[in-house]
Formats: sequence, C-alpha cells, structure tokens
Amino acid sequence: EDKVVQSPLSLVVHEGDTVTLNCSYEVTNFRSLLWYKQEKKAPTFLFMLTSSGIEKKSGRLSSILDKKELSSILNITATQTGDSAIYLCAVNSNTGKLIFGQGTTLQVKP
Amino acid sequence: GAGVSQSPSNKVTEKGKDVELRCDPISGHTALYWYRQRLGQGLEFLIYFQGNSAPDKSGLPSDRFSAERTGESVSTLTIQRTQQEDSAVYLCASSLGLAGRYEQYFGPGTRLTVT
Repeated sequence: EDKVVQSPLSLVVHEGDTVTLNCSYEVTNFRSLLWYKQEKKAPTFLFMLTSSGIEKKSGRLSSILDKKELSSILNITATQTGDSAIYLCAVNSNTGKLIFGQGTTLQVKP
Repeated sequence: GAGVSQSPSNKVTEKGKDVELRCDPISGHTALYWYRQRLGQGLEFLIYFQGNSAPDKSGLPSDRFSAERTGESVSTLTIQRTQQEDSAVYLCASSLGLAGRYEQYFGPGTRLTVT
C-alpha cells in the first residue's frame, strides 16, 4: 500500500531558527513529490520535485528529493512567525492521485 | 472567478441526514479532486475526475459517499445518512491535468459537523 510519512509531527522553534522537515514515502511508480503549506483551510503549493538531487528554492524555503532514500526534506531558514502552519508532503504515482502524509505542525514563537 | 470555490463554507447536520457539498473549479481545469481532512490529520483522497474519463472512486470510504461532475465544471459530493465520523473538512482541488504533473489549486473547504 502506498504511504507517506512525515516527521516530526510537530515542532516549536523561535524566530530566526532554521528548521528541517522530513518526508519519506513508499509508492509504486513514483512520479513526483509535492510540498504544501496549510495555514487555515486551503493548502497552498510550495514545490514539486521530480528529479533527485536538484534543490528547489523560493526565498527562505528550499527542498530537495532523494529518490535513492525515498525521501525529501523541506528547509526553512531564518524562520518568522508567519511560517507557522501545517506543512504537508504528498506523493504522486502514475495513477494521478496524491497520497498525503499526516503533516508537520510548525509553530514559530516570537 | 480567480480560484476554486466551495459551498457551503460550514455545514452542521444531524446524524442520518443527507448533505451535498459543491465545488466550482478554476475555468479550464480538466482535473478535479475531493479530499477529506479530519482534525489533526493529513488529506485523505476521496475521488478525482479527469476530463471525460471514468472517475477514480477508489478513495470513497463507503457507498454512502458519491460524487458527480458536470463536464469540466461544477462537482458535487453527496454524503447520505451522515454519521458522526463524517465530520471533517472536505477540500476540493483542480488542476490543468493530473496532479503530480500540474499544480493543484485548493478551495477553502467545507467544514462538516454531524451532531
């Protein structure tokens, strides 16, 4: 059965800290891995990763995929209170549907 | 509209009643997805529609759940004889094509509470 596991489940840091969120997967016929940020209801798209070893970057956020280890990390540097959210990892096989992990809840304290 | 819209935003219903949730995708998006998110959990895939292909219903938890889509526009998710365990946020998303190739855009969700 396809599955996606995220760790840690929750994390509390202070502004300015750097955090690393983990996502590991077991999926038949992997196509891509996606990261989302969920603040209230609707998740917003962060990154889509398809190739191993190529870092994607957007401001203070970056992510990289390791297909050999079946995992991905999401890094956030110089965290701000506005980064507080649930970060969701999802994996797509060639079936078209996304399998989501349970999410990591990040709280950034002032 | 600029994004995916869903209605109602909140729905409180009594156990045993039927409910209908609506999703309006972004115009031109051929793929439409429904997910369920229970409190403190990740998103659980329910069903997706892709163009004129038969929908993938493999995530529907029971035969009380059904969904329809009219062409490449509005979709409705119907839950019959609601149970308390159906209480969750129901999220709809649309994309230009299959998720994983194209970015999914999510609606604001419908929070369903079954009393």
